[in-house]
Amino acid sequence: SSELTQDPAVSVALGQTVRITCQGDSLRSYYASWYQQKPGQAPVLVIYDKSNRPSGIPDRFSGSSSGNTAALTITGAQAEDEADYYCNSRDSSGNHLVFGGGTKLTVL
Amino acid sequence: QVQLVQSGAEVKKPGASVKVSCKASGYTFTTYYMHWVRQAPGQGLEWMGIINPSSDVTNYAQKFQGRVSMTRDTSTSTVYMELSSLRSEDSAVYYCTRSLYGDYGSPYFDYWGQGTLVTVSS
Repeated sequence: SSELTQDPAVSVALGQTVRITCQGDSLRSYYASWYQQKPGQAPVLVIYDKSNRPSGIPDRFSGSSSGNTAALTITGAQAEDEADYYCNSRDSSGNHLVFGGGTKLTVL
Repeated sequence: QVQLVQSGAEVKKPGASVKVSCKASGYTFTTYYMHWVRQAPGQGLEWMGIINPSSDVTNYAQKFQGRVSMTRDTSTSTVYMELSSLRSEDSAVYYCTRSLYGDYGSPYFDYWGQGTLVTVSS
């Protein structure tokens, strides 16, 4: 089991807003980063340091954090956003890193 | 432009070892930590460990302690991950990925290799 917990699957209607969450004790001390992974491809960084987007990532992607929960929000989901999403941060010891189990996003 | 180019697919027998390489280019090799992450078929991402290319200091996930070794060659800007005593559960795509650290020492991975498929089968 992972020290970062994500819902296995989430769905959203095209153009609507979806929130993907990541829970873990270490998130009280460290920010999560978020990765999008499409089938057969390497992961891509979409959010870091709670709410920063790398260049090239659409502004419909945003991040937030409160207490032990980090969240990735997609405002106006597009068909191309259908993918697996993973959070990552330090573990509860702070010495190692850990990924959440991943959330499969379906855009209806 | 930053590139991480990994070695090709491998097929190994149970009990054997595998060594995967990751050649970095487009940046100063010794100024960014490198991590290894693996993904078994149909499964999630799993962090394996980190190497500091400048100091050669490593830190491995508990799960892989004693079985994994991460090294680097600064002359060729290449990092290596060797996993020994392979079993079928080690069949996965192995990625190298470069990390940065943001606020409060929070890590993030900005560039990834293309992945190397390792198949363990008798």
